[in-house]
Amino acid sequence: AQSVTQLGSHVSVSEGALVLLRCNYSSSVPPYLFWYVQYPNQGLQLLLKYTTGATLVKGINGFEAEFKKSETSFHLTKPSAHMSDAAEYFCAVTGGFKTIFGAGTRLFVKA
Amino acid sequence: DSGVTQTPKHLITATGQRVTLRCSPRSGDLSVYWYQQSLDQGLQFLIQYYNGEERAKGNILERFSAQQFPDLHSELNLSSLELGDSALYFCASSVGVGRDNYEQYFGPGTRLTVT
Repeated sequence: AQSVTQLGSHVSVSEGALVLLRCNYSSSVPPYLFWYVQYPNQGLQLLLKYTTGATLVKGINGFEAEFKKSETSFHLTKPSAHMSDAAEYFCAVTGGFKTIFGAGTRLFVKA
Repeated sequence: DSGVTQTPKHLITATGQRVTLRCSPRSGDLSVYWYQQSLDQGLQFLIQYYNGEERAKGNILERFSAQQFPDLHSELNLSSLELGDSALYFCASSVGVGRDNYEQYFGPGTRLTVT
């Protein structure tokens, strides 16, 4: 079985500051991990994914995430926040045919 | 544009009624997923179909049912609607086979309002 925990339902950063959104997972099989972003009134869009290989994965819009097996984590980072990054972010884990989504973290970016 | 289409975009109906939401997956995708998103429950996985067959079930109520047709489009049927069924309903699709093909592509959603 798989589960996902996103720490912090809301995160607020200043424009230009580091963005760090936390995700911890549990999986009984080697996991596939994903981050999705949802802008207001839109569907979810894939930001990046980890399936195998390099543990640091880069995605769109300057985001990246690192798979840390020992910590069962897959945190999402971006060095410098932009106003356009304000959205809700979902971490997800797939261990088979079922994908489990976290509760989401809403990112606010202050000018 | 993800390539996944959903109709209608908005739906307003009364309690006790039945509605059908439609989804067309991306070309070549065999898996279709349905999700419900509401403010109090967040994003809830309802059901998945793969090439016409039910593959996984989530928190789907007995009043709800879905199917995937031979042309791979899918419909979600919601019956005996209650106020609490008001939500955004998303469809997503994925290729669905092979270890690199599990990422899902989401449609724009159908906003259901039950009055």
